[in-house]
Amino acid sequence: ILNVEQSPQSLHVQEGDSTNFTCSFPSSNFYALHWYRWETAKSPEALFVMTLNGDEKKKGRISATLNTKEGYSYLYIKGSQPEDSATYLCASRPSNFGNEKLTFGTGTRLTIIP
Amino acid sequence: DAGITQSPRYKITETGRQVTLMCHQTWSHSYMFWYRQDLGHGLRLIYYSAAADITDKGEVPDGYVVSRSKTENFPLTLESATRSQTSVYFCASSPTRGEQYFGPGTRLTVT
Repeated sequence: ILNVEQSPQSLHVQEGDSTNFTCSFPSSNFYALHWYRWETAKSPEALFVMTLNGDEKKKGRISATLNTKEGYSYLYIKGSQPEDSATYLCASRPSNFGNEKLTFGTGTRLTIIP
Repeated sequence: DAGITQSPRYKITETGRQVTLMCHQTWSHSYMFWYRQDLGHGLRLIYYSAAADITDKGEVPDGYVVSRSKTENFPLTLESATRSQTSVYFCASSPTRGEQYFGPGTRLTVT
């Protein structure tokens, strides 16, 4: 994988249901994987920064896992609420020292149906 | 107020005009970035800066110029605006090896 890819592109989930989506990234030359939450008409906000294989992070009902060997990360949302409606972006950072550039995926647009 | 701000928030300009978008951060973060958001492309990096007087191209730098004479400011200039530069522009800053903090965005329309 040369680019950061996210799937699905969009998702509609009933309120109260749990959901998850995927971020695939180049596994070579990897340093960190970032997840951002981006609400409509606002700016992206950082959710997690993950660096270690097998890493799992959690913030409230949202959690993420990381597999650096195969180059993927999952984002999970448990018991979806209307306020979870947003676009979720992932971004990969390479391991070159001093290289702080992120390569972003195009996002998964999540809509929670009340 | 602490944080990262962008100005103007909205701008309409004509083809061929020079436009400067401003970005200011109060955290003294080393790194600053300019992105553009376009449908189907997500966020694409235009330019970034590792410190004052150090800048480098990103994925889509053509038609843009940046400068960084002070750590807290990172202006982006469109030298001769084109319709293809109609977009939403986001500035971001980060400490070394940290997460990026985004400004509120500038919606630019080139007519």
